[in-house]
Amino acid sequence: GENVEQHPSTLSVQEGDSAVIKCTYSDSASNYFPWYKQELGKGPQLIIDIRSNVGEKKDQRIAVTLNKTAKHFSLHITETQPEDSAVYFCAASPRDKVIFGPGTSLSVIP
Amino acid sequence: KAGVTQTPRYLIKTRGQQVTLSCSPISGHRSVSWYQQTPGQGLQFLFEYFSETQRNKGNFPGRFSGRQFSNSRSEMNVSTLELGDSALYLCASSLDDEQFFGPGTRLTVL
Repeated sequence: GENVEQHPSTLSVQEGDSAVIKCTYSDSASNYFPWYKQELGKGPQLIIDIRSNVGEKKDQRIAVTLNKTAKHFSLHITETQPEDSAVYFCAASPRDKVIFGPGTSLSVIP
Repeated sequence: KAGVTQTPRYLIKTRGQQVTLSCSPISGHRSVSWYQQTPGQGLQFLFEYFSETQRNKGNFPGRFSGRQFSNSRSEMNVSTLELGDSALYLCASSLDDEQFFGPGTRLTVL
């Protein structure tokens, strides 16, 4: 069935270091891949997304890469800051659905 | 532009009762999706409404239902509440692929 795996489930980095979160998806019909950041007590917030016709997208300290052949996509955060600490969700969208990964809890240590 | 609003933010019910949650999407957005978020299961898709019609449905029992009004506002109803229904219920509105989440309704079933 449709499935999105996400690794690692928890990640601790020193402030200023980079963080990488990786996801794989099963449905080859997926053509839209958003990433969400969820802070405590809030709903998920869309931080970046990529479509299947693009291999990489960057927005300031955040970048996302997509390998459609391998069905892999990754989130890269550079120069991490304490305010980056949150739970991050990847998702894949085949047709009219959005399938979420289980989430990665990122802690940035000052 | 106002974001997605959900009411109430917190709710406590007892087993066997029913509950109705409300979601007001971003102005102009015609699609509203509902998700259940729990620590063990992550973000699980409940259903999606578009122009007052249910367009997609997840794998939840018939106790979970929803509807959408002509102004795109949506409600979801859970009947005969069970302890396992305790969760954060999130609503997301979208214009095309991008989903924007509300803060959620925290439902506790005692």
